[in-house]
Amino acid sequence: DIQMTQSPSSLSASVGDRITITCRAGQNFTRYLNWYHQKAGNAPKLLIYAASSLHSGVPSRFSGSGSGTDFTLIISGLQPEDFGTYYCQKSYGDIWTFGQGTRVEIQ
Amino acid sequence: EVQLVESGGGVVQPGKSLRLSCSASGFVFDDYAMHWVRQAPGKGLEWVAGITWNSGNVAYADSVKGRFTISRDDARNSLYLHMNSLRHEDTAFYYCAKNVVATISEGGLDNWGRGTLVTVSS
Repeated sequence: DIQMTQSPSSLSASVGDRITITCRAGQNFTRYLNWYHQKAGNAPKLLIYAASSLHSGVPSRFSGSGSGTDFTLIISGLQPEDFGTYYCQKSYGDIWTFGQGTRVEIQ
Repeated sequence: EVQLVESGGGVVQPGKSLRLSCSASGFVFDDYAMHWVRQAPGKGLEWVAGITWNSGNVAYADSVKGRFTISRDDARNSLYLHMNSLRHEDTAFYYCAKNVVATISEGGLDNWGRGTLVTVSS
């Protein structure tokens, strides 16, 4: 199975900050990479699909980029509601894999 | 409005079986692939299994292959996960999730249920 490695594992930032989360895959799979946000006690929510496409209803401060093995999620202008854990997910091929998650804390 | 409601969780002894169900509404169920994703308490997400729109293809994580079976009943708008030979490490919240496309070789999970807790304990 393709391993997905996220970094950092956690970060603390202030409202208004620009933050970057990266996801590295152990194998090239073009752009079949999604990003999710999960708050404690809730189901995850899809933010970005196919590496860079914003899911319906997701604020434009979220953006994704990358292809091949290296992908990035950027939040431009962090908001208080953005705290929680972010996961990348590979959806190429029949076996799907999540990254280990990046916990975002608001200072 | 899309709704996914899981049921069937509970406490079960190691080695026993359990069947989870997911009732879907608010969309054309048989147009989309469906998946199960689990999350052990305090841990990250783990994809468990996926099934295409017509049940023509299924896939499993290595951790459950040979023990779990995913299925769907389009007439009932329902997704199932049959879990056999349960282990302590299968303890988790199990989420039912809808794919954005009909196949399981691509896509993303755009709607999720609230999850059902499975606890494997003697």
